[in-house]
Amino acid sequence: GENVEQHPSTLSVQEGDSAVIKCTYSDSASNYFPWYKQELGKRPQLIIDIRSNVGEKKDQRIAVTLNKTAKHFSLHITETQPEDSAVYFCAASLPLNNNDMRFGAGTRLTVKP
Amino acid sequence: ETGVTQTPRHLVMGMTNKKSLKCEQHLGHNAMYWYKQSAKKPLELMFVYNFKEQTENNSVPSRFSPECPNSSHLFLHLHTLQPEDSALYLCASSRQQASNEKLFFGSGTQLSVL
Repeated sequence: GENVEQHPSTLSVQEGDSAVIKCTYSDSASNYFPWYKQELGKRPQLIIDIRSNVGEKKDQRIAVTLNKTAKHFSLHITETQPEDSAVYFCAASLPLNNNDMRFGAGTRLTVKP
Repeated sequence: ETGVTQTPRHLVMGMTNKKSLKCEQHLGHNAMYWYKQSAKKPLELMFVYNFKEQTENNSVPSRFSPECPNSSHLFLHLHTLQPEDSALYLCASSRQQASNEKLFFGSGTQLSVL
């Protein structure tokens, strides 16, 4: 089955700086890679996703890149703001009809004002 | 609000108690899920229901018993739990049970087993 590793486990940046979170996956057949954001005490919410036929996707200050050869994908947040502080989870999913998404352990991002 | 509601938000129970967690979605989704979230660990998929039929049981102990009476409601019945079962239990739904479907999560039930 799929195994997802996420690094770092904690990340602290100054407001306005960029933050990068990296994930690796084990099964080369995985083809869907979402990122979820979970603010303290709240539910995880999808913020961006990428499919294996695309190398990069951007949505305002967040972007995700995918390297299929190396089997890793990254979340990039530019011009960070305090409200970006949260736990971010990456996930990888195989093209099977069961939505058995494998999640990373999460990265706690703190943006200092 | 994402349309997925979980009750209760917090639950404290003894190891001999029986309790139930409830999840409700009004998004018209066909698939519903139970996940376990423990500190510093990946979200763990427990059960999947598609059109109210269980399609996945991810090697979950029998002290956790799911029930899905219809596509909008999902329960997790708890019986003789262990302290290591203390965690945040998240319900989620998606339009279909497919590998690239967006998951809509509830706010979770924070469970403490004494």
